[in-house]
Formats: sequence, structure tokens, C-alpha cells
Amino acid sequence: SQQGEEDPQALSIQEGENATMNCSYKTSINNLQWYRQNSGRGLVHLILIRSNEREKHSGRLRVTLDTSKKSSSLLITASRAADTASYFCATVGTSYGKLTFGQGTILTVHP
Amino acid sequence: GAVVSQHPSWVICKSGTSVKIECRSLDFQATTMFWYRQFPKQSLMLMATSNEGSKATYEQGVEKDKFLINHASLTLSTLTVTSAHPEDSSFYICSATYNYEQYFGPGTRLTVT
Repeated sequence: SQQGEEDPQALSIQEGENATMNCSYKTSINNLQWYRQNSGRGLVHLILIRSNEREKHSGRLRVTLDTSKKSSSLLITASRAADTASYFCATVGTSYGKLTFGQGTILTVHP
Repeated sequence: GAVVSQHPSWVICKSGTSVKIECRSLDFQATTMFWYRQFPKQSLMLMATSNEGSKATYEQGVEKDKFLINHASLTLSTLTVTSAHPEDSSFYICSATYNYEQYFGPGTRLTVT
């Protein structure tokens, strides 16, 4: 079963703008991860944030985690057309290695 | 490092036949691999956890007799879709764990006609 939800389901922006995607989950987690998937392709791991961390940065990516609200956000700054893809959050609970994915956000960045 | 491959990348088969999909960890050993399926414009659903040398653990609602998983070595897990039907058409993705992170294969597009 799916862990939680992401919003928005779809996001359309212009190149150079920032894109923010949110993820909510239902149970306690060990860590939360964000993945990117280009259409019809496999997943690419973007960033992992542990349950005791509140914020993490990687290049143009910024991830926050609020365990009290059971939510996370992914911010992509200065977006590029090449960022167009689906983005999924996934949580790892107590079962080692088992990922539970959110519904995903389809991001379209217009040049 | 930590590359996972899948073969084939796409396959078309007739209803009633069986299809085998391979998942390989190319540069590391993986005692645990995972199999997911993904319908168009939807998220990934975990089907089963493949453990080297033991039986796979299936998620609720996944028919183990229909989706046979064999993890025969530390670098290879196979998923066999038996007696495939059009509703089994989907994108199947495997992943393998390395240093507490999961690395995903490129996926296999299965179309059953």
C-alpha cells in the first residue's frame, strides 16, 4: 500500500523558477528519500534525509523533513527544462531497506 | 559503482505465455533485491523482496504463484510472470541495496497481447 501522498500531482513552471513538491506519510520512518524518474525510465536517487535531520542540501536541491507533521518537501531552485520528470518521495520504516513510495509529482519546466 | 541492470528492457508476449525478467547487480553483491511494478502515470508498488538463498517475501495481494522470484546468486534475481495476461502489462523495476541505499534498474516494459 502507498505510504502517503504528494502534492501537487502536477506542476508546470517556467525555466528559472523554483519548484516545490510536498510529501506526506503516515507511519514512523527511519529515513525519507527523493527520486526522479524520466518518462519510461528507471529511478535516479536524488537525496536522503534521516529522521533526525531537518534539512539537507545537494546542489540545487533542498529537502526539509518535519517528523511531527509527517511531511517533507523538495525544492528545486532555478529550474531547467532538463528537470522535467516525475519526482517521488519514498520512506523507509522499520523493515530494512523496504521503500514505500508516494504518488509522485509530474514536473514540467518550460524553456 | 552500484549499477543495476535489467534484461530485457522491453518484451512483448502473447497471453498465456511466461516471461522471465532478470535483475543484476553489476559491481556489487546484493543479498536483497526488490521488485516493483508501475502502471502508466502511477507510482511504484512493491511486489516482493527477493532474498538470496531463501524464498521471496511477497506483499499483500501479490500472487506468488503468478510472479515467481528466484534469487539464485548474490548478483542475480529473476522475476517470472507465468501465464501472462493483458492486465499484467506494466513497467517492472528491480532494485538492489548497497550501503543502505537502493539502486534501481532501468526497468522492463512488459506488454501482453
